[in-house]
Amino acid sequence: GAVVSQHPSWVICKSGTSVKIECRSLDFQATTMFWYRQFPKQSLMLMATSNEGSKATYEQGVEKDKFLINHASLTLSTLTVTSAHPEDSSFYICSARDVGAGEYNEQFFGPGTRLTVL
Amino acid sequence: GQNIDQPTEMTATEGAIVQINCTYQTSGFNGLFWYQQHAGEAPTFLSYNVLDGLEEKGRFSSFLSRSKGYSYLLLKELQMKDSASYLCAVLDSNYQLIWGAGTKLIIKP
Repeated sequence: GAVVSQHPSWVICKSGTSVKIECRSLDFQATTMFWYRQFPKQSLMLMATSNEGSKATYEQGVEKDKFLINHASLTLSTLTVTSAHPEDSSFYICSARDVGAGEYNEQFFGPGTRLTVL
Repeated sequence: GQNIDQPTEMTATEGAIVQINCTYQTSGFNGLFWYQQHAGEAPTFLSYNVLDGLEEKGRFSSFLSRSKGYSYLLLKELQMKDSASYLCAVLDSNYQLIWGAGTKLIIKP
């Protein structure tokens, strides 16, 4: 099946710093990538949808100036959490989708990045 | 608004069968997914239904009734490794995935 990688797996940073998370589709070209956030014991919350070469579409309530998304190529999307604060501590998961990458046009998920802001 | 309901938690015994239900109300329907998510890990794809009926895949089966807005995931011959959260998600008319809160399945020996 299609493989999505995410880096780093976990990160601890000080309040006020910025953190960049990379999401790569390894064996397929992802025209669409998704960024999710998941708090403990809660379901996935979609933050934004990004299409290669265009601006990301953010969900209501997600600050686009705080969560910068760049989908510069068909295999790479990045999420930068700017001026991170303790309330931004969460599990961030990316997923990728492309016609033909899966039998059911399903999303393939990266392993997630656990962010802890001190 | 759009809504997906599934039980918060279920408990079953190793070797038994368990059925996890999901009901949905969405703006349009382009298919329903079931994903498995182990604690601290990302979700992995289990099944996809877009037509009414039962789809069987090994120990796991998924059922869909579009007229009732209802699906279930059936897990047979439960193993300890099946302990996980099971997420129901519907693809709406805009091809956006609407996620349920997930059902935490606890398997006891």
